[in-house]
Amino acid sequence: QVQLQESGPGLVKPSQTLSLTCTVSGGSISSGSYYWSWIRQPAGKGLEWIGRIYTSGSTNYNPSLKSRVTISVDTSKNQFSLKLSSVTAADTAVYYCARVGYYYDSSGYYQFFDYWGQGTLVTVSS
Amino acid sequence: EIVMTQSPATLSVSPGERATLSCRASQSVSSNLAWYQQKPGQAPRLLIYGASTRATGIPARFSGSGSGTEFTLTISSLQSEDFAVYYCQQYNNWPPLFTFGPGTKVDIK
Repeated sequence: QVQLQESGPGLVKPSQTLSLTCTVSGGSISSGSYYWSWIRQPAGKGLEWIGRIYTSGSTNYNPSLKSRVTISVDTSKNQFSLKLSSVTAADTAVYYCARVGYYYDSSGYYQFFDYWGQGTLVTVSS
Repeated sequence: EIVMTQSPATLSVSPGERATLSCRASQSVSSNLAWYQQKPGQAPRLLIYGASTRATGIPARFSGSGSGTEFTLTISSLQSEDFAVYYCQQYNNWPPLFTFGPGTKVDIK
């Protein structure tokens, strides 16, 4: 059973860089041809996809955040990480890491989030 | 960018009753649609992918249907543990982009 766990500072000052790490257990991050993703959720609001990384290091980001986001992977530690620069109060949210599951059939190629971390609250405040 | 909408925003249902939740995409997403359940203080849980395939361990009372721009999640007989917020999510192959709907809260009538 794959498990994911987020870690990192719960408080970040405005204009600084938010840094989080997701540790994957129950399997190798490199096996199974999966992407690994970050998603966030402000209090009382919906979910926003931040970006994803493949174990080769290939990344895709949400265009709305692309200029401030960097996702990296460390396969030796079975971890992937998020950096979000120049944060403001609007970046205050619960941040989740997740595995991107996939499925093929005759109609297409589907991707979804099949395993999630418990989430970690990051507050941006001075 | 594909925009997802969900209706209603809140659905009040009695235990044992049927609940029907709707999700609409601003343009066709084929069957690239997933549904999640989220309870307070918890991460979302995958219920349905490919518009109609139940994820591992999901009870048969949850079913998904639709394709293109109109999708439905049906809970055939609501149990107490089903009161939660439900989100739909689409995946766009190029450029790669995941988008969630705003959610439907299912609460006790």
